[in-house]
Amino acid sequence: AQSVSQHNHHVILSEAASLELGCNYSYGGTVNLFWYVQYPGQHLQLLLKYFSGDPLVKGIKGFEAEFIKSKFSFNLRKPSVQWSDTAEYFCAVNRDSSASKIIFGSGTRLSIRP
Amino acid sequence: EAQVTQNPRYLITVTGKKLTVTCSQNMNHEYMSWYRQDPGLGLRQIYYSMNVEVTDKGDVPEGYKVSRKEKRNFPLILESPSPNQTSLYFCASSLTGLSNYGYTFGSGTRLTVV
Repeated sequence: AQSVSQHNHHVILSEAASLELGCNYSYGGTVNLFWYVQYPGQHLQLLLKYFSGDPLVKGIKGFEAEFIKSKFSFNLRKPSVQWSDTAEYFCAVNRDSSASKIIFGSGTRLSIRP
Repeated sequence: EAQVTQNPRYLITVTGKKLTVTCSQNMNHEYMSWYRQDPGLGLRQIYYSMNVEVTDKGDVPEGYKVSRKEKRNFPLILESPSPNQTSLYFCASSLTGLSNYGYTFGSGTRLTVV
């Protein structure tokens, strides 16, 4: 079955450290890829998305993600994290082009030490 | 303000007592969906709706019902809640049934069934 894997369940970093959160998917066809962020007590918000074109996608708040098709990966990066980046991050993969087929990963909790 | 509104935010109920969680969006979105979020499992889709009077099961539909009589509303109905339905529920909407736009999420409903 198609799946989305986020291997890091909880990541703890100090402020100004660089961040990379892993996301791998198992679907072999054309995919659309998303990263969502959920700040404590809030709903999910879209960070960035990839549909086609440049595999390096820039999102809000200084985040970026790189789609590597050969590795079935879409890792999220940020060069220098801030305390306010403390949140849970979800990778999502869309099979086909239908919104009904979006599958979410289990999430990575990011804690930033001030 | 463009948003997805869920009510209530918090709900504690007893096993077997029917309840409805409301979801309303003011963006004229065609597509709406319900998810439940559980620790370690991420978001799992319960039901979705491509448009008025068009609904379909997601990955975990058992014990839930939905209806889409109007474009803006997509209530989630638990006819006979059980403790395993204790969870955080999110409603989401998207402009169309295509994945290009990503989702707009509601603020969530934390349900406890005792």
